[in-house]
Amino acid sequence: GENVEQHPSTLSVQEGDSAVIKCTYSDSASNYFPWYKQELGKRPQLIIDIRSNVGEKKDQRIAVTLNKTAKHFSLHITETQPEDSAVYFCAASKGTYKYIFGTGTRLKVLA
Amino acid sequence: NAGVTQTPKFQVLKTGQSMTLQCAQDMNHNSMYWYRQDPGMGLRLIYYSASEGTTDKGEVPNGYNVSRLNKREFSLRLESAAPSQTSVYFCASSEFLGNTEAFFGQGTRLTVV
Repeated sequence: GENVEQHPSTLSVQEGDSAVIKCTYSDSASNYFPWYKQELGKRPQLIIDIRSNVGEKKDQRIAVTLNKTAKHFSLHITETQPEDSAVYFCAASKGTYKYIFGTGTRLKVLA
Repeated sequence: NAGVTQTPKFQVLKTGQSMTLQCAQDMNHNSMYWYRQDPGMGLRLIYYSASEGTTDKGEVPNGYNVSRLNKREFSLRLESAAPSQTSVYFCASSEFLGNTEAFFGQGTRLTVV
């Protein structure tokens, strides 16, 4: 069945450094790839998404890249700040089909 | 604009008791979902409703039932709670099934003792 693998499960970076989280999906028909941030005790919220007709998308310090051939996509956070500490989830979906979520990455930004 | 509202926020049940988690959205979304979140397991889909009048099983439907009461409301019922159902439950909605942003409720922390 459909599967999304996410790595690493935990990531610690120094404040100001960059963080990269990677996801691999199994269904080549997937065409929508959102990323959600979940702060401790809060609900997941969308931070950025990308569709299969685009290779890269940026929003200030956050960027997502997509490699359709390799079936993987990555979240890049530059100049990390303490408020970036959270759990990040990737997901994939195809057309009118439910999302498949990765297992999450706990990011810790060390001051 | 409240978004997705779920009740209750916290609940403690005894093994064998039943309860219903309520979820309502005010964004006129067609699709709604119920997820459970366990440590290290991410978000696992229990049931979803692509549109009013339809419901389908997700990854972990055993022990649960759902009702899409109308376009706004999607409830999750535990008929006979078990300790394995201790988890945080999230309701979510999206304009269409997949392919668009999902909005999550604030979560329900359920403990079954």
